[in-house]
Amino acid sequence: ETGVTQSPTHLIKTRGQQVTLRCSSQSGHNTVSWYQQALGQGPQFIFQYYREEENGRGNFPPRFSGLQFPNYSSELNVNALELDDSALYLCASSFLGGGETQYFGPGTRLLVL
Amino acid sequence: AQKVTQAQTEISVVEKEDVTLDCVYETRDTTYYLFWYKQPPSGELVFLIRRNSFDEQNEISGRYSWNFQKSTSSFNFTITASQVVDSAVYFCALSDPGSGNTGKLIFGQGTTLQVKP
Repeated sequence: ETGVTQSPTHLIKTRGQQVTLRCSSQSGHNTVSWYQQALGQGPQFIFQYYREEENGRGNFPPRFSGLQFPNYSSELNVNALELDDSALYLCASSFLGGGETQYFGPGTRLLVL
Repeated sequence: AQKVTQAQTEISVVEKEDVTLDCVYETRDTTYYLFWYKQPPSGELVFLIRRNSFDEQNEISGRYSWNFQKSTSSFNFTITASQVVDSAVYFCALSDPGSGNTGKLIFGQGTTLQVKP
């Protein structure tokens, strides 16, 4: 059984740029959730994708967007990067939502200069 | 509003000591799920346990045990005979039923556990 994978592991961008982060879900899972974890904080829910549709969103601006593909992998796109976007971005997969256990990938560390 | 509080920011123990990590949650819903995750320095969140609101039985898994008490809205985690490998940040999380069917997780601030040899 393959776990959740994310790429890249690290990324450095400058303010105003755009970034795309990628996630492959665990085999057998059809739902992907994205979280942002600032240094010293708990993860914050960005949004979730189920059946290629956004299925819930946290308190993040529209410049955070995503996609889910037929193989259940997902992308997180962030436009017009700001310094505060520097964080660890975690992807989690699960089977459906509603209380099912979410299994996390290793994360992508994004630094915005 | 749903909220998870982990009042202990950092805990330091000596190997073989027992340690309890506290978690207090707030929710108005009767159906919800609670989780504990471990985050080692590598950054990946490792799932430890899931508990639904209707199951108040305590659980033991090796050196780990969990005490769920709805009366005090607490879901505490105890590590018996701690080891250096237990050093990590531990997060308690609540699955927010108010988010529809997303199962959005609301995390506490985390407790950093340092186990010294």
